Amino acid sequence: QKEVEQDPGPLSVPEGAIVSLNCTYSNSAFQYFMWYRQYSRKGPELLMYTYSSGNKEDGRFTAQVDKSSKYISLFIRDSQPSDSATYLCAMDVTGTASKLTFGTGTRLQVTL
Amino acid sequence: DAGVTQSPTHLIKTRGQQVTLRCSPKSGHDTVSWYQQALGQGPQFIFQYYEEEERQRGNFPDRFSGHQFPNYSSELNVNALLLGDSALYLCASSPDRVETQYFGPGTRLLVL
Repeated sequence: QKEVEQDPGPLSVPEGAIVSLNCTYSNSAFQYFMWYRQYSRKGPELLMYTYSSGNKEDGRFTAQVDKSSKYISLFIRDSQPSDSATYLCAMDVTGTASKLTFGTGTRLQVTL
Repeated sequence: DAGVTQSPTHLIKTRGQQVTLRCSPKSGHDTVSWYQQALGQGPQFIFQYYEEEERQRGNFPDRFSGHQFPNYSSELNVNALLLGDSALYLCASSPDRVETQYFGPGTRLLVL
């Protein structure tokens, strides 16, 4: 069993839709949770960073962490074609820029 | 401000050969991590360098080695290449003990 599970998709939604992306994990020691966006043939770009359980909002993006369920989510409101990319969740135990453990990524396609 | 840069962008090698990949961190960052991303997978942590020393290592064989220079730039060396080493190799940098890591565009390695 992988430490971090993520549905690979692809997920196709119309422009303007609300998108929900999710990851589950098995290691209860994870405390720091990140979402990265990766465009084709590019490196991952950090979108959201949260610590422990709770919500964090940044523009059209909201990250949620439920440590009791070992479940994290990323919501994208008013999705745009430019949001079409692969979304990777990542987790860390120490929060000191050490080893990140990634999910496999979910490919998102936002259509006109 | 230049972000994380990596060279070369693409590389083709044959089995058994050796390869060296290079990374220059973002200005002000002294910690460099290397990740391997196979097609359709999330990045896998290889190792991290700080103050020219390997600080942490993932589950990769000794064929994978690295170096960090006094200017914080870094190299990843892979010996005795296998077909399975074909992947996107990503470099990430951060200030010491700061969680957020910034990724470069990667070097795409193909082993034939």
